[in-house]
Amino acid sequence: EAQVTQNPRYLITVTGKKLTVTCSQNMNHEYMSWYRQDPGLGLRQIYYSMNVEVTDKGDVPEGYKVSRKEKRNFPLILESPSPNQTSLYFCASSTPGQGLIEQYFGPGTRLTVT
Amino acid sequence: GENVEQHPSTLSVQEGDSAVIKCTYSDSASNYFPWYKQELGKRPQLIIDIRSNVGEKKDQRIAVTLNKTAKHFSLHITETQPEDSAVYFCAASKGVGNYQLIWGAGTKLIIKP
Repeated sequence: EAQVTQNPRYLITVTGKKLTVTCSQNMNHEYMSWYRQDPGLGLRQIYYSMNVEVTDKGDVPEGYKVSRKEKRNFPLILESPSPNQTSLYFCASSTPGQGLIEQYFGPGTRLTVT
Repeated sequence: GENVEQHPSTLSVQEGDSAVIKCTYSDSASNYFPWYKQELGKRPQLIIDIRSNVGEKKDQRIAVTLNKTAKHFSLHITETQPEDSAVYFCAASKGVGNYQLIWGAGTKLIIKP
């Protein structure tokens, strides 16, 4: 089954404790992206990757890191989480094939930083 | 910078009536306009999209219209049903052939029985 998976789905942590949210897709998509979703603000892009070893900042990259060592994986790293990073996070992937750029989203990770 | 404005933020309609959600974009190079639906507690999913060379596209009860001159596009849902209750997001591509999307803030659609 074609899908995007994220782990963990729920995470409660404390300020300053490094964490990683994993994202994996099995559709051989070149493009992957991380979003955060906050009430009234819609989806804001954190980082994206056009292919292996190619990453770039989105609209709200501060406090986050990513890596793309393999095509299927795109982990999101919070080196020193702060309460303002409490949010719902979505990973998404896409491929241009025939001009289509539908993004397939993972199930989301709800992060609470206390 | 580029942005997409979406209105209204909340829309409440009677079951069976029509619902219209409107978006305005700023980047004249945008050429791809998708709409995503996010049910409560779930992930966003694409429901319909339109490209700049088309003025209207329909899929059963949903349709999208695009006015490139005015930089407006709209989602129309007819004969609304309870399962249409969700948050709807519009988006516009960042330029031609670009994977990046500029997202609207979302519209919460409530279908009243």
